[in-house]
Amino acid sequence: NAGVTQTPKFQVLKTGQSMTLQCAQDMNHEYMSWYRQDPGMGLRLIHYSVGAGITDQGEVPNGYNVSRSTTEDFPLRLLSAAPSQTSVYFCASSQGGAGYEQYFGPGTRLTVT
Amino acid sequence: TQLLEQSPQFLSIQEGENLTVYCNSSSVFSSLQWYRQEPGEGPVLLVTVVTGGEVKKLKRLTFQFGDARKDSSLHITAAQTGDTGLYLCAGAPGDAGNMLTFGGGTRLMVKP
Repeated sequence: NAGVTQTPKFQVLKTGQSMTLQCAQDMNHEYMSWYRQDPGMGLRLIHYSVGAGITDQGEVPNGYNVSRSTTEDFPLRLLSAAPSQTSVYFCASSQGGAGYEQYFGPGTRLTVT
Repeated sequence: TQLLEQSPQFLSIQEGENLTVYCNSSSVFSSLQWYRQEPGEGPVLLVTVVTGGEVKKLKRLTFQFGDARKDSSLHITAAQTGDTGLYLCAGAPGDAGNMLTFGGGTRLMVKP
């Protein structure tokens, strides 16, 4: 099993550009989530999904959209990139929800200039 | 929003020393997880504690969940250079919600 995969690994955007961060898992997990990690702030939840067709907002959802059309994929869309969105983004999945072990991808390092 | 405060933020110690990392909140959690993160990688789960007062041991690491399920600690005995990394606690909400809350992390450096 590949686990949780994320692409791209690095990305540089100009302010106002849009892009999609890809996340896929092959463990048949129902729960998937996106976090951003800024220096000294741990991980903050952006959006999460408890199953295909169901998404919900996390702690810091503004400026981001998600969709969950399949169990395997959970892409994160930046609508109009801003310098404040410069961060490392992690996708995670788990078999049962927030109280279960989260399996994290390797992360995408995004810089917005 | 539930908040988790970790202390200390940074810790630099010599190999062989003991240390304790704290994770505190005013909120009740149904469970609390501890993760370790290496540079350039995602966090990896070390342990989950579920019951108030629970103590779990993982080799030289001892994890404790507070009686009221609002706080937790991680104690490392005789630290080794391989323990260097970022330690994160994460709490699952007590109301069975689905938002996992992470603490700010403790960056540990163990010097030889």
